Amino acid sequence: AQSVSQHNHHVILSEAASLELGCNYSYGGTVNLFWYVQYPGQHLQLLLKYFSGDPLVKGIKGFEAEFIKSKFSFNLRKPSVQWSDTAEYFCAVNVNTGFQKLVFGTGTRLLVSP
Amino acid sequence: ETGVTQTPRHLVMGMTNKKSLKCEQHLGHNAMYWYKQSAKKPLELMFVYNFKEQTENNSVPSRFSPECPNSSHLFLHLHTLQPEDSALYLCASSQDSLALTGDHNEQFFGPGTRLTVL
Repeated sequence: AQSVSQHNHHVILSEAASLELGCNYSYGGTVNLFWYVQYPGQHLQLLLKYFSGDPLVKGIKGFEAEFIKSKFSFNLRKPSVQWSDTAEYFCAVNVNTGFQKLVFGTGTRLLVSP
Repeated sequence: ETGVTQTPRHLVMGMTNKKSLKCEQHLGHNAMYWYKQSAKKPLELMFVYNFKEQTENNSVPSRFSPECPNSSHLFLHLHTLQPEDSALYLCASSQDSLALTGDHNEQFFGPGTRLTVL
């Protein structure tokens, strides 16, 4: 079965530190990849997505992610985090099993201290 | 953000109650989804509707009963729930759940209903 692994469950950083959140998936077919963010008390929002083309994708708020097909990875990065980036981050893979199915990771809770 | 709305936002119910969760999308999408978000577990897909037809029931117990009267509205009817069903229930929509590639895959989420079963 398809699965998504997010290795860091909790990350604590100081403002201006660099961020990298890992995401690995297990699926051998064509995938579309997403990072969603859930700010405290708010709904899930799309941060960025990869469908095809340039494996380095840029999203909102200075986030980017790199798709490395050989490693089945789609890690999220930001060079300098802000206090407002405190949120939970979810990696998701959209697999085509006859219909589109989003498979989510368990999420990474990021706390940025001012 | 009012693309996908859910009511109620919070619900407390006993195990013998019957209640319904409502989701409405204002994005002109054709596919709608129910997810369950429990602590320390990945979001679990429960049901998928595409053009009002149910295309996926992800082994969900029958005490959860979905209804999709049109492409804009989705309900989740609840009856005789268990305490372990307490969770955040999320609704999402997308252009089309059967498209192979492209932006049709992107799902937009509602704020969720926080359900507590006593």
